[in-house]
Amino acid sequence: GAVVSQHPSWVICKSGTSVKIECRSLDFQATTMFWYRQFPKQSLMLMATSNEGSKATYEQGVEKDKFLINHASLTLSTLTVTSAHPEDSSFYICSALWTGGFVEQVEQFFGPGTRLTVL
Amino acid sequence: SQELEQSPQSLIVQEGKNLTINCTSSKTLYGLYWYKQKYGEGLIFLMMLQKGGEEKSHEKITAKLDEKKQQSSLHITASQPSHAGIYLCGADTGRAGGGADGLTFGKGTHLIIQP
Repeated sequence: GAVVSQHPSWVICKSGTSVKIECRSLDFQATTMFWYRQFPKQSLMLMATSNEGSKATYEQGVEKDKFLINHASLTLSTLTVTSAHPEDSSFYICSALWTGGFVEQVEQFFGPGTRLTVL
Repeated sequence: SQELEQSPQSLIVQEGKNLTINCTSSKTLYGLYWYKQKYGEGLIFLMMLQKGGEEKSHEKITAKLDEKKQQSSLHITASQPSHAGIYLCGADTGRAGGGADGLTFGKGTHLIIQP
């Protein structure tokens, strides 16, 4: 299957600073990527849809000014947590949408996740 | 909005026993994904079901999607310690399939295997 990477795998930062998380599709191009968030002992929640060359689409309740998404190329989407606070501490997972095949299959491949701890 | 009810929330099973995890949707599913996760780690894709009545198996894990495409079950036969973890079902409610609109996840089932 296709490979999606995330960097960094974990990060610790001070309150008030900004943190950037990268999501890369390593062996395919992805016009669409997704960002999910997972709190301890909870499921994943879709935060936003990242579209290459256009603005991201945010789910209800997700602050777009807080979580900046940039999908600058077909293989890279970044999530920047601005002015991070302890409540932003979470596990962030991205996924990339792969389309291809003779019948235009669509599949979603997940990255390994990034653990963010804000002190 | 799409809602997924996953049950049970947690499950303790003696090694060697069979178990079933259920996932019920409030809407028709165009795709149902099963993942395994150890908390704080990435998702391991298990299976994807799209057609009503579809059933797929891999090693000792079998997943089914009912005819109405609103309920799925994950069955593990002769459970082993390696099966322990969190199982998540993810729903694709977009007609395009493949999770093109992102996935909605159930709350997960925490599976513990007792030796």
